[in-house]
Amino acid sequence: DGGITQSPKYLFRKEGQNVTLSCEQNLNHDAMYWYRQDPGQGLRLIYYSQIVNDFQKGDIAEGYSVSREKKESFPLTVTSAQKNPTAFYLCASSIGASGTGELFFGEGSRLTVL
Amino acid sequence: AQKITQTQPGMFVQEKEAVTLDCTYDTSDQSYGLFWYKQPSSGEMIFLIYQGSYDEQNATEGRYSLNFQKARKSANLVISASQLGDSAMYFCAMREPVDFRGSARQLTFGSGTQLTVLP
Repeated sequence: DGGITQSPKYLFRKEGQNVTLSCEQNLNHDAMYWYRQDPGQGLRLIYYSQIVNDFQKGDIAEGYSVSREKKESFPLTVTSAQKNPTAFYLCASSIGASGTGELFFGEGSRLTVL
Repeated sequence: AQKITQTQPGMFVQEKEAVTLDCTYDTSDQSYGLFWYKQPSSGEMIFLIYQGSYDEQNATEGRYSLNFQKARKSANLVISASQLGDSAMYFCAMREPVDFRGSARQLTFGSGTQLTVLP
């Protein structure tokens, strides 16, 4: 079955530590995205990537970093510079310019800073 | 800048009845797309329905329909014959115009409406 796999599903981190969230897709989609969701709120865009080795900042990129070395993979690193990292993180992909723009989402990763 | 407004933080509906979830948007672009997603308590985002700005007919997908009023900039979701499994958070989202530099097409999301279906 094609889809997006995020891991881990739950993650706990001590303050000052970096943590990397994994996102893998086998949909052969060109574009990939990372969104952050805080309780009772909508999704906010962190980073997105249109092609391998290229990515752009979204609305809330400070304290985060990404890489896109393979088409299938778009890991997100939450660095110690992120002031309030506790949140639900969603990875998504889309076909690209030829599609409607529909996002296909993973099941999310819930990060808690202790 | 684009903006999506969902003014109903929470809604209740009796099982088997219809419910309308409101969404208004603000954009100066002529070409855009509107989406509705469902988020159950488990967290995954489930695509429900899509409406393109140039589509003349309102979109429908099973029990879901999108009441698109372009002049009023509204894109309300109508769920007919509500079921207990419809209880979830519902998000309206808008797609930016095509980025001609590449393939990514960002969505901007509203704050969501928590729908509870009562037995």
